[in-house]
Amino acid sequence: KAGVTQTPRYLIKTRGQQVTLSCSPISGHRSVSWYQQTPGQGLQFLFEYFSETQRNKGNFPGRFSGRQFSNSRSEMNVSTLELGDSALYLCASSLGHREYNEQFFGPGTRLTVL
Amino acid sequence: DQQVKQNSPSLSVQEGRISILNCDYTNSMFDYFLWYKKYPAEGPTFLISISSIKDKNEDGRFTVFLNKSAKHLSLHIVPSQPGDSAVYFCAASAGGTYKYIFGTGTRLKVLA
Repeated sequence: KAGVTQTPRYLIKTRGQQVTLSCSPISGHRSVSWYQQTPGQGLQFLFEYFSETQRNKGNFPGRFSGRQFSNSRSEMNVSTLELGDSALYLCASSLGHREYNEQFFGPGTRLTVL
Repeated sequence: DQQVKQNSPSLSVQEGRISILNCDYTNSMFDYFLWYKKYPAEGPTFLISISSIKDKNEDGRFTVFLNKSAKHLSLHIVPSQPGDSAVYFCAASAGGTYKYIFGTGTRLKVLA
């Protein structure tokens, strides 16, 4: 079974631009979660989608948004980029329909904002 | 407010000895806990989990202990191997929320 894939793996943008990151979950997984990882902050939860609906949201500004398609693939968009948005963005997929689910992570997209 | 805390940013252990990684949480609603391992340039990989109805779960060299009254869990790795050198994250979830809160990670270095 193919794992979680994320594209692109690396991205360099400048302040004020916007960016779209993509995540393809493991086949059969209907839940996709997004996290931001920065040094010293661990993994900060952004949002979770299940069956094309946002089911959970973290404490990030509205510049961070996402969506999920009918094939469970998900995209995350960050508008008006700031220097502090430089981070590793990880997505994780899970079955999503049970109360407790193991999440499987992709390799991440390293975003650098100049 | 950091609901899941890993107070040791790093830990060094000799090969063959026990590694103990600790995690504390503040939210009493958390009832499912997981440990992940992360190598550089890779996403975290799931190691082991425990639900609040248990106080111990074992999988090969990895054992997780949960002390609900102290809101504390720990991951024991016995024996430690150089390939275990990685960053370890604990995560917690409250049943039905489908949301995981991660700690800041502990970098484990196993010395040969």
